[in-house]
Amino acid sequence: TQLLEQSPQFLSIQEGENLTVYCNSSSVFSSLQWYRQEPGEGPVLLVTVVTGGEVKKLKRLTFQFGDARKDSSLHITAAQPGDTGLYLCAGADQAGTALIFGKGTTLSVSS
Amino acid sequence: DVKVTQSSRYLVKRTGEKVFLECVQDMDHENMFWYRQDPGLGLRLIYFSYDVKMKEKGDIPEGYSVSREKKERFSLILESASTNQTSMYLCASSSRHLYSNQPQHFGDGTRLSIL
Repeated sequence: TQLLEQSPQFLSIQEGENLTVYCNSSSVFSSLQWYRQEPGEGPVLLVTVVTGGEVKKLKRLTFQFGDARKDSSLHITAAQPGDTGLYLCAGADQAGTALIFGKGTTLSVSS
Repeated sequence: DVKVTQSSRYLVKRTGEKVFLECVQDMDHENMFWYRQDPGLGLRLIYFSYDVKMKEKGDIPEGYSVSREKKERFSLILESASTNQTSMYLCASSSRHLYSNQPQHFGDGTRLSIL
């Protein structure tokens, strides 16, 4: 069974701090996606990483895909209150028909 | 922009009722999905469909059924609602080729309470 484990489950920080969220698996994924979900809304795609070792940047967010394509990380520099939300990683299942989601990291950034 | 619309944001029903949750997407996507989201359990896939009249069970299909009579519409049915089906329900759609890394586009969810 393919599983994605995210850590930490909860993170509460002050504005301006840096943080890293991890997404790990014992399985190889062809790609991983990261979503952010704000309260009262559905998840929205942030980025897709495809190649082992790939690094993608989205303003203050940096996403990395592990060399073996079993893990990924999300690093936020100088967090802002607008970064508050639930961060989810997801990867395609072996049949390529559905996404497997991690349980998410709830981030709270206070000013 | 892709828009996925769920018919209700909040819904309150009674135990034993038959409940219909509706989802419509406007981007001609082949794939549609129903998830439930519970604290500490994440998103769990209930059913998905990759074409009209086609359906596949997800991880937790028990107590649910689905209908896809038109490409743009995917309905989730709780045959006889129970209190353990109180949850946030999310609908999503995507284009067919998952290996081409197409994202899933989500609706804003229906918060369903079963009393």
